[in-house]
Amino acid sequence: AQSVTQPDARVTVSEGASLQLRCKYSYFGTPYLFWYVQYPRQGLQLLLKYYPGDPVVQGVNGFEAEFSKSNSSFHLRKASVHWSDWAVYFCAGMNYNQGKLIFGQGTKLSIKP
Amino acid sequence: GALVYQYPRRTICKSGTSMRMECQAVGFQATSVAWYRQSPQKTFELIALSTVNSAIKYEQNFTQEKFPISHPNLSFSSMTVLNAYLEDRGLYLCGARDPGAHERLFFGHGTKLSVL
Repeated sequence: AQSVTQPDARVTVSEGASLQLRCKYSYFGTPYLFWYVQYPRQGLQLLLKYYPGDPVVQGVNGFEAEFSKSNSSFHLRKASVHWSDWAVYFCAGMNYNQGKLIFGQGTKLSIKP
Repeated sequence: GALVYQYPRRTICKSGTSMRMECQAVGFQATSVAWYRQSPQKTFELIALSTVNSAIKYEQNFTQEKFPISHPNLSFSSMTVLNAYLEDRGLYLCGARDPGAHERLFFGHGTKLSVL
């Protein structure tokens, strides 16, 4: 069955440090992949999206992600985190024909001062 | 731009009662609408996918009898939570699909349901 896995439930990094949040997908055929962010007590905001093409995609607020077919991964990166990045991050995948967006379990990002 | 509005933003209902939530797509034609639930401290579970002029497809563990959905046109959808109990509390998110934007899903802010 199609699935999206975020192996890290919680990640803590120091402000100014680099960040990588991991995401693995399976059984999507040609996947469309997304990273969303959920700030406290809010809905979902799209950070970036991958459609078949350039494997490295740029998003908002300095985020980028790299698609790897060989590793079935779509990890999110940021060179230097800011305290305002404190949020829960969700990776999601969609099979284009089905139109169903499937979410990972989410990774809660905390920032140390 | 494309926006999705959901209302109410928050609602409280007594255990055993029902509540209806609405989803409005603005600036695009939503060929399909997906309803999700985020239970406390959890991820987003797909409840059902509704495509105009097609049958609504419910995911396992969710039924039409419990979560009836109406999708009468390309800009509006509603879902009712019937006989709500504690396990139904959470954030209900509507995602509307825009075929003009690479089939991207636009999300509303959600309806937060609390059950007393």
